[in-house]
Amino acid sequence: EAQVTQNPRYLITVTGKKLTVTCSQNMNHEYMSWYRQDPGLGLRQIYYSMNVEVTDKGDVPEGYKVSRKEKRNFPLILESPSPNQTSLYFCASSLGRAASPLHFGNGTRLTVT
Amino acid sequence: SQKIEQNSEALNIQEGKTATLTCNYTNYSPAYLQWYRQDPGRGPVFLLLIRENEKEKRKERLKVTFDTTLKQSLFHITASQPADSATYLCALDPTDSWGKLQFGAGTQVVVTP
Repeated sequence: EAQVTQNPRYLITVTGKKLTVTCSQNMNHEYMSWYRQDPGLGLRQIYYSMNVEVTDKGDVPEGYKVSRKEKRNFPLILESPSPNQTSLYFCASSLGRAASPLHFGNGTRLTVT
Repeated sequence: SQKIEQNSEALNIQEGKTATLTCNYTNYSPAYLQWYRQDPGRGPVFLLLIRENEKEKRKERLKVTFDTTLKQSLFHITASQPADSATYLCALDPTDSWGKLQFGAGTQVVVTP
């Protein structure tokens, strides 16, 4: 089944403790992206990647890192999480052409205390 | 600054009626616009894409219009059903910068029997 898989689904951590949220897609998609979703603010893009070893900042990249060493994986790294990064995170992928629809994972709900 | 606006108030509608949602944008010159559906706790799911040279697009009971003069897209659900209850998001890329797909905050639709 074609899908984008994120792990974990739920994560509670403390301020400053490094964490990684994994994202993997099995559709051989060129493009991958991370979004966070907060009430009233909608989806905001954190980082995106057009291809392996190519990453770019989205609208809210501060406090996050990503890497794209393989086509299928696009982990999101929070080196020193803070409470304002408590949010619902989504990974998405697409074929990588303009107008290609995004396929989203089921989300990771992160709480930073 | 660029802005995508969707009605933040939930749309309550009776089964069988047509639901009409609005997506207005400012400071974009999009070549296309996408609509997604999001159920609680799940990732958005792509529904329809409409290009700037298309006035209208249909898919089963869904219809989307795109007016680049008014800078507006309308999303219609005809013969609505309780299963159509969800939040609907519009999305578009900034001009000359595909890959940075930006989303409106979404409009919740509640269809009652």
